[in-house]
Amino acid sequence: KNEVEQSPQNLTAQEGEFITINCSYSVGISALHWLQQHPGGGIVSLFMLSSGKKKHGRLIATINIQEKHSSLHITASHPRDSAVYICATSGGGLTFGKGTHLIIQP
Amino acid sequence: NAGVMQNPRHLVRRRGQEARLRCSPMKGHSHVYWYRQLPEEGLKFMVYLQKENIIDESGMPKERFSAEFPKEGPSILRIQQVVRGDSAAYFCASSGQGTDTQYFGPGTRLTVL
Repeated sequence: KNEVEQSPQNLTAQEGEFITINCSYSVGISALHWLQQHPGGGIVSLFMLSSGKKKHGRLIATINIQEKHSSLHITASHPRDSAVYICATSGGGLTFGKGTHLIIQP
Repeated sequence: NAGVMQNPRHLVRRRGQEARLRCSPMKGHSHVYWYRQLPEEGLKFMVYLQKENIIDESGMPKERFSAEFPKEGPSILRIQQVVRGDSAAYFCASSGQGTDTQYFGPGTRLTVL
């Protein structure tokens, strides 16, 4: 069974700061997902990646398969980025980390 | 193209009643996943279904919980004789054939009184 660990658990930053959220997992995977859960509870899939790097707007996700590690970066952070960010590994159903609670203060 | 639909969005039941949660996947998707998020906890996998088949139910509690995805109609997660500990947000997600990307529904918030 895959163990998925995220850090930090909580993160508060000022608007404009560069944000990094880390995720590590214990066994090999076919893909890793980054999800965003808003205060209202809805879940949005941000990225699915199996190698290298993906970019969408101010969000960048990277993965190192050999080290079993992924990072999610947010550039020029904004208060609307405040949410819980969750990494998850594929294997039929997803196995989730506990999430990172991000607050961006204006 | 409508996204994943779940209903009801909120469901209140008394202890001992049955809860039925419905999930309509995105058009063209034949894979459905159910997840549970207990208060102040992370998301947990429950069950993975394809049309008329349960592929993986390793996350389902052994008693009172069942799931189906019939040939026609939505996927149903059924909880019999609900208890207070069943209060949670239940999310379903769907994916298409040959892809790992899952699209989440808005969730059903179940409250057991």
